[in-house]
Amino acid sequence: ELKVEQNPLFLSMQEGKNYTIYCNYSTTSDRLYWYRQDPGKSLESLFVLLSNGAVKQEGRLMASLDTKARLSTLHITAAVHDLSATYFCAVDDLNSGGSNYKLTFGKGTLLTVNP
Amino acid sequence: KAGVTQTPRYLIKTRGQQVTLSCSPISGHRSVSWYQQTPGQGLQFLFEYFSETQRNKGNFPGRFSGRQFSNSRSEMNVSTLELGDSALYLCASSFSGRIYFGPGTRLLVL
Repeated sequence: ELKVEQNPLFLSMQEGKNYTIYCNYSTTSDRLYWYRQDPGKSLESLFVLLSNGAVKQEGRLMASLDTKARLSTLHITAAVHDLSATYFCAVDDLNSGGSNYKLTFGKGTLLTVNP
Repeated sequence: KAGVTQTPRYLIKTRGQQVTLSCSPISGHRSVSWYQQTPGQGLQFLFEYFSETQRNKGNFPGRFSGRQFSNSRSEMNVSTLELGDSALYLCASSFSGRIYFGPGTRLLVL
């Protein structure tokens, strides 16, 4: 059974600081997703990482994937209040022949950015 | 392109009733999957459909079922509702490795 672990689960940051959220998973997969969720809302797609060594950046967020270590990171640079949300990583439970779009999610990281 | 749409957005039911939720994927997307989100269990995969065929099913009881129509729209049904079925139900539309979620249906079972 695929397991996905995120840490930390809670992260309180000051504006302007940098931090990294880690996502470890238990089985081979080269398809990893990061989502953002605001309170009471749905999941907003942030990044799709489709191969080993993939790195994607959007604004103050950068995500990377190391399939050999089974690890993805979401790095936050110079945090601002608007980044406050819950961030989820999710791994596609690939089987032979490609994806069946069956995501296993981490528990999420509740990020609070304080002024 | 229009995003994933789900109806209804909110629903209140009582124990023992059944409910049907609907999802329309992004135009051209043939894969639709469903997830349940609760505070205790987090986000859990229910099932995934592609071209009207269920390809994967999560670890949910048989009370949870779904189907997909020829136009890729999907429905999920929960029979004999229990209090623990109260959750946000999210539909996702997928194509070429990309997975986009709809706004969700928030179900409250009293």
